[in-house]
Amino acid sequence: QQPVQSPQAVILREGEDAVINCSSSKALYSVHWYRQKHGEAPVFLMILLKGGEQKGHEKISASFNEKKQQSSLYLTASQLSYSGTYFCGTGIIQGAQKLVFGQGTRLTINP
Amino acid sequence: EAGVAQSPRYKIIEKRQSVAFWCNPISGHATLYWYQQILGQGPKLLIQFQNNGVVDDSQLPKDRFSAERLKGVDSTLKIQPAKLEDSAVYLCASSFSQGANTEAFFGQGTRLTVV
Repeated sequence: QQPVQSPQAVILREGEDAVINCSSSKALYSVHWYRQKHGEAPVFLMILLKGGEQKGHEKISASFNEKKQQSSLYLTASQLSYSGTYFCGTGIIQGAQKLVFGQGTRLTINP
Repeated sequence: EAGVAQSPRYKIIEKRQSVAFWCNPISGHATLYWYQQILGQGPKLLIQFQNNGVVDDSQLPKDRFSAERLKGVDSTLKIQPAKLEDSAVYLCASSFSQGANTEAFFGQGTRLTVV
């Protein structure tokens, strides 16, 4: 039931792009993306709802493919502040926010 | 706007002892969640409240864990007795509603070490 995130870890240089994938074995109604820095609380990035929409915020965007039951997070021209662990939380109950989180993807941005 | 407050930040106890965590959600948020995050893993939902009622506690180990949200505001999570495998960060989160399109705000968590 837990979604699978890939890759588990990635190391980039500042300015490079990254893609983080989140796949579920169950039908998805929503996908929530969070970033967590070491020792801190997870911080909300964005929500994608069933309907195949794509969202973006500056250089971070995401897509949701409900047929494939997966979502992808795109980080373009990465900045040092993007470092952290990214979690996808999948909503498997329509209309409800009961989330099942993936194991996380650790992103390290080096200067 | 004040965020989700949790206390204590850290707690070390011996196995078989009891422990309690406190959470104060963002003002006006009706939905409150407790998550358990074991090192290297994603948060796992333990219990969800809507106001002072339980919406989901299917993953709460009820033989040792209990939670309450009196008056629909603050919440406490208790473990009695604690086991070694309970070592984790306990995160409290709140959201305005329980709808799928609502973002949740997390507190900094309580890091529990059971020795």
